[in-house]
Amino acid sequence: EVQLVQSGAEVKKPGESLKISCKGSGYTFTNYWIGWVRQMPGKGLEWMGIIYPGDSDTRYSPSFQGQVTISADRSINTAYLQWSSLKASDTAMYYCARHVSGYDRSPFDFWGQGTLVTVSS
Amino acid sequence: EIVLTQSPGTLSLSPGERATLSCRASQSVSNKYLAWYQQKPGQSPRLLIFGASTRATGIPDRFSGSESGTDFTLTISRVEPEDFAVYYCQQYGSSPPRTFGQGTKVEIK
Repeated sequence: EVQLVQSGAEVKKPGESLKISCKGSGYTFTNYWIGWVRQMPGKGLEWMGIIYPGDSDTRYSPSFQGQVTISADRSINTAYLQWSSLKASDTAMYYCARHVSGYDRSPFDFWGQGTLVTVSS
Repeated sequence: EIVLTQSPGTLSLSPGERATLSCRASQSVSNKYLAWYQQKPGQSPRLLIFGASTRATGIPDRFSGSESGTDFTLTISRVEPEDFAVYYCQQYGSSPPRTFGQGTKVEIK
């Protein structure tokens, strides 16, 4: 059974750093693109970027380029989303999701449960 | 960047009625690479339709998708109580970002 299990909720202060994780199981982790999607409170879905764990090829939305870093550790089947300096506007639910195939131009078929990040002084 | 505009913002229906949700793209979506997702409160999104009209695994056949140029439609033939949710379209055919529409909420009338 394919599963994406994300790390738990985080409460941080502005300016702090953060790295959240998404662990894949039930499939060959290195063969499928994984993406990150932001959902701000009461709002819609925003595509942030994707990574191919096989070779760490990464694509970012221009809106998030330079604001976050997407990475993966294929030895432990885990993808990451990190911030070096959080802002209050980063408060949101963050989902990881797996692409249907090894082709990045495909939809997301499996989703993690979401990680709620709250940034407040 | 391709902008997807969904309408209406909210659709109020009674169970058993037909739901028609629209997603209009600002430019051509290559290869009809458009998906629809359903999101219920407190849950992660679920893939319903990809390639504009192909149902994902396990999706009931009351859900269907169609395309006409840059206009995409998700139809629920007869809305069931469990279908009340927010629906998002997403294009995945262009260079990043692979944008989402702003969502349509299907609520109980």
